[in-house]
Amino acid sequence: EVQLVQSGAEVKKPGESLKISCQGSGNSFTTYWIGWVRQMPGKGLEWMGIIYPDDSDTRYSPSFQGHVTISAVKSTSTAYLQWSSLKTSDTAMYYCARLRPGFGENWFDPWGQGTLVTVSS
Amino acid sequence: QSALTQPRSVSGSPGQSVSILCTGTSSDVGGYNYVSWYQQHPGKAPKLMIYDVSKRPSGVPDRFSGSKSGNTASLTISGLQAEDEADYYCCSYAGSYTWVFGGGTKLTVL
Repeated sequence: EVQLVQSGAEVKKPGESLKISCQGSGNSFTTYWIGWVRQMPGKGLEWMGIIYPDDSDTRYSPSFQGHVTISAVKSTSTAYLQWSSLKTSDTAMYYCARLRPGFGENWFDPWGQGTLVTVSS
Repeated sequence: QSALTQPRSVSGSPGQSVSILCTGTSSDVGGYNYVSWYQQHPGKAPKLMIYDVSKRPSGVPDRFSGSKSGNTASLTISGLQAEDEADYYCCSYAGSYTWVFGGGTKLTVL
């Protein structure tokens, strides 16, 4: 059974950079896409983008394109979400989840436990 | 790419049935049979409840069902139980490897 384990909570100041991770277990990590989803405090889920770790093919939501970078390291079964200059509005819980759209599996399952990012001066 | 439209809240008594609607466009909900639904309890990660409009993953009770008509999908929960109280989100594939979520619906079991 595949599990996704995310890195721990982060507290950062505006303008700082940050990279959070999502590590998958199991041999099939590179056969799936990994998606990132934002949930701002008290708000709903927002799809940010996805990456195919096998070749790093990446797609972004127009709302997040240019604001974050999604990457992956196949050898360690890890996907990343990074910011070069954080804003207070980036404060949110960030989830990773697995999907396999190339096989018609257009749903997110399983999900990581979430990484809480707090940006405050 | 606008969020799918869901009611902010619904409620029902134990044993009753409730439906949550999810309205999109012909570019997402209406264009693909790739609607999924997620349950989220406070402080927890979302959990897949329905995929491909109406299919249930292993382990999800058959009290949960999904359907779609045109640009609107729906999640129906029959025989409401206290543990069903949670937030529910719909999600649709929107083409070109993009997805869109609904704004979420808070289900209260009275």
